[in-house]
Amino acid sequence: DAKTTQPNSMESNEEEPVHLPCNHSTISGTDYIHWYRQLPSQGPEYVIHGLTSNVNNRMASLAIAEDRKSSTLILHRATLRDAAVYYCILRGMNSGNTPLVFGKGTRLSVIA
Amino acid sequence: GAGVSQSPRYKVAKRGQDVALRCDPISGHVSLFWYQQALGQGPEFLTYFQNEAQLDKSGLPSDRFFAERPEGSVSTLKIQRTQQEDSAVYLCASRAALMLRGQRLFFGEGSRLTVL
Repeated sequence: DAKTTQPNSMESNEEEPVHLPCNHSTISGTDYIHWYRQLPSQGPEYVIHGLTSNVNNRMASLAIAEDRKSSTLILHRATLRDAAVYYCILRGMNSGNTPLVFGKGTRLSVIA
Repeated sequence: GAGVSQSPRYKVAKRGQDVALRCDPISGHVSLFWYQQALGQGPEFLTYFQNEAQLDKSGLPSDRFFAERPEGSVSTLKIQRTQQEDSAVYLCASRAALMLRGQRLFFGEGSRLTVL
């Protein structure tokens, strides 16, 4: 699976939108973009994934650049409970049962 | 509904002791993964099961690490003769059959191992 690059940390004020960037310049045409997050003392949890089109769910939105070399996870109104490490992971469509490969992610701090 | 359950949540072992960490995946989930997470790092893959078959153990750091899933449900990760560098959080994750519900992984809360 291709590599992703994320900032080490970001900070946001409570109730403001947060845009978490991810660069993946070597993405292939069959790579899905997955986001997981890990709250303190918890295991990672799935947030969202997409291929080409922007995606929305109850947790977040995923905006994918037209050339697919970058994407942005959008939290529309950050809450204190959104403070976590956010991981951007590429996964090939035909990866089968190969494991998810995590990087260091972005540590998001939310200020009240 | 019940998620992935891991026990114990915390384990302190003296160097040289053997430890066993248990994972109860979501009922019916075919795939089961073990990850190791050192402080400040992302999770790193250890091993993977499909039902009872261990299909990939390429991430196990040494032959002191052993995992099993004899009946295709509960899994145990065993670490023999623990060393200080084994101190980490051990995460278990499960996934439904590959062609159902996409490729989403469900993680447990982890077992934090401290080796003194």
